[in-house]
Amino acid sequence: NAGVTQTPKFQVLKTGQSMTLQCAQDMNHNSMYWYRQDPGMGLRLIYYSASEGTTDKGEVPNGYNVSRLNKREFSLRLESAAPSQTSVYFCASTRSGANVLTFGAGSRLTVL
Amino acid sequence: GDSVTQMEGPVTLSEEAFLTINCTYTATGYPSLFWYVQYPGEGLQLLLKATKADDKGSNKGFEATYRKETTSFHLEKGSVQVSDSAVYFCALSDYGQNFVFGPGTRLSVLP
Repeated sequence: NAGVTQTPKFQVLKTGQSMTLQCAQDMNHNSMYWYRQDPGMGLRLIYYSASEGTTDKGEVPNGYNVSRLNKREFSLRLESAAPSQTSVYFCASTRSGANVLTFGAGSRLTVL
Repeated sequence: GDSVTQMEGPVTLSEEAFLTINCTYTATGYPSLFWYVQYPGEGLQLLLKATKADDKGSNKGFEATYRKETTSFHLEKGSVQVSDSAVYFCALSDYGQNFVFGPGTRLSVLP
């Protein structure tokens, strides 16, 4: 009963490097989300996917790309990391009509 | 667009004290309202929710009432414990698809 699993938990990058954050859920949820959490700013939506094969921009999409690989997996890619992308990233999912998000444990990213 | 405002804290209380964390919202429709809690080093988890006006959500001794006339959803607990130390997020959702979060309120409870 894993819920939402994110990898890696911690990552340090240099400016300009690329990386992908992985997220998988085993609850058969339709919708998946990527948020970033910064002090004093709460959670801000980066991208979301309402269903397999669809993705939409959220509040802060610049510098990120996403892939909804299948119903279970939703990855977030930083093509050229910048210090402003230092943050804690959370993946979340929900079943259509359920109106409740289930979150992963988070991925802490530091860009030097 | 929709938004959520909450007291940012930090809030520091002694064990067994009464807790109130204020939350107000702006929304064009009739959203569902939530409180999520984040314990140190963990992701957010749902604490309670209310889906329509005058509904009261409750869980683990926490309560919040959906007040449409004041667009508020204040979180209360009669007697906090050290184990309640966490960050609390107020949130809303229109149609179960888009979720908007407040900035979070850090609560520290001292023994």
